[in-house]
Amino acid sequence: GESVGLHLPTLSVQEGDNSIINCAYSNSASDYFIWYKQESGKGPQFIIDIRSNMDKRQGQRVTVLLNKTVKHLSLQIAATQPGDSAVYFCAEVYGGSQGNLIFGKGTKLSVKP
Amino acid sequence: DVKVTQSSRYLVKRTGEKVFLECVQDMDHENMFWYRQDPGLGLRLIYFSYDVKMKEKGDIPEGYSVSREKKERFSLILESASTNQTSMYLCASSLWGGEQFFGPGTRLTVL
Repeated sequence: GESVGLHLPTLSVQEGDNSIINCAYSNSASDYFIWYKQESGKGPQFIIDIRSNMDKRQGQRVTVLLNKTVKHLSLQIAATQPGDSAVYFCAEVYGGSQGNLIFGKGTKLSVKP
Repeated sequence: DVKVTQSSRYLVKRTGEKVFLECVQDMDHENMFWYRQDPGLGLRLIYFSYDVKMKEKGDIPEGYSVSREKKERFSLILESASTNQTSMYLCASSLWGGEQFFGPGTRLTVL
């Protein structure tokens, strides 16, 4: 399998449970944050984003929470499914309009059927 | 849907060879990026470009160069491949300040 998941924090959950993946970011001036999902053998895919003037944003089965005081992001996945098994990265956007990203190291989510 | 394609999924080259990795996007994005991804190190930015013929160094440009002759195409060049350049290479593109869309990646092995 892909080696991208090695040496990463791993979260193992039961199918149907809720998952919470955490991320600490470094730059207090970042104004935009993104969560990506990377399945084995594929490039990262956008899941959800949030601007720094918000503290919560909801998508389909996913919610992102932003705590600027402690520079912390979390991704909540409701009713986790086997297809959610992947590595999840948070990214903070800097560099103004060029939109350069600083990626977190990632968390590997394993869903047990 | 945005499509970012990379020329090869898997590539095996020998030390000292010149290697070209090609990336094409079909959504008229201004910005394009090359990353490498290694276990325990995450994604690291090699080079990026925000316009045709423009390029900027990322965090780890040593041993690489890039070319952007057309807006839709961004090439990564390894002038003389070395074993420490064995990695997964990911290309991405974006509009100004927007999310980056990634290609499927090229797994390069240098023997």
